[in-house]
Amino acid sequence: AAGVIQSPRHLIKEKRETATLKCYPIPRHDTVYWYQQGPGQDPQFLISFYEKMQSDKGSIPDRFSAQQFSDYHSELNMSSLELGDSALYFCASSLMIRTEYNEQFFGPGTRLTVL
Amino acid sequence: DAKTTQPPSMDCAEGRAANLPCNHSTISGNEYVYWYRQIHSQGPQYIIHGLKNNETNEMASLIITEDRKSSTLILPHATLRDTAVYYCIVRADSWGKFQFGAGTQVVVTP
Repeated sequence: AAGVIQSPRHLIKEKRETATLKCYPIPRHDTVYWYQQGPGQDPQFLISFYEKMQSDKGSIPDRFSAQQFSDYHSELNMSSLELGDSALYFCASSLMIRTEYNEQFFGPGTRLTVL
Repeated sequence: DAKTTQPPSMDCAEGRAANLPCNHSTISGNEYVYWYRQIHSQGPQYIIHGLKNNETNEMASLIITEDRKSSTLILPHATLRDTAVYYCIVRADSWGKFQFGAGTQVVVTP
């Protein structure tokens, strides 16, 4: 079965550089979530999109932005990178059915290292 | 969403049942209990969820107390591949974000 695809899997950047993380949800899934997991920490919700509109926002820095495109893939753009942005970034997707439980399927993550 | 409390770690012998407790004393009537696990730096994986009744699937069983203030995830026959951090999450709506708290690090030993 198709899973959530994230690219790249690993990314190394210098401080103050920019980075773009991509997420391709499971086919027909219309909702995408982004989570950040710092070293030794638990995943923290950043932002989510439903049908290309932002549906919820968590502790996402102003330096970060994200969007969902017409094909439902999503991109997380990160600017002015800081050392503290080094983390695993997970994308999850689900199919929005408001009357039913919606399981979130997580991708393998992108490991971002900021030097 | 209600907060959850889990023990930080737990050891389990291979082949034995692992019982993972979770306290969610402030849970409200419309909140579901979900369990996910994360195997070393991989994406979290769904295990099971429930509202009031006990639930069972091919991976695990979920026992929810009658007052819904606590629950137990049961891995019936733990294997080495079950070594992971297990997260108990309470969420009201069926489509929103998950708020991961401090889960339980389960180590299954031979």
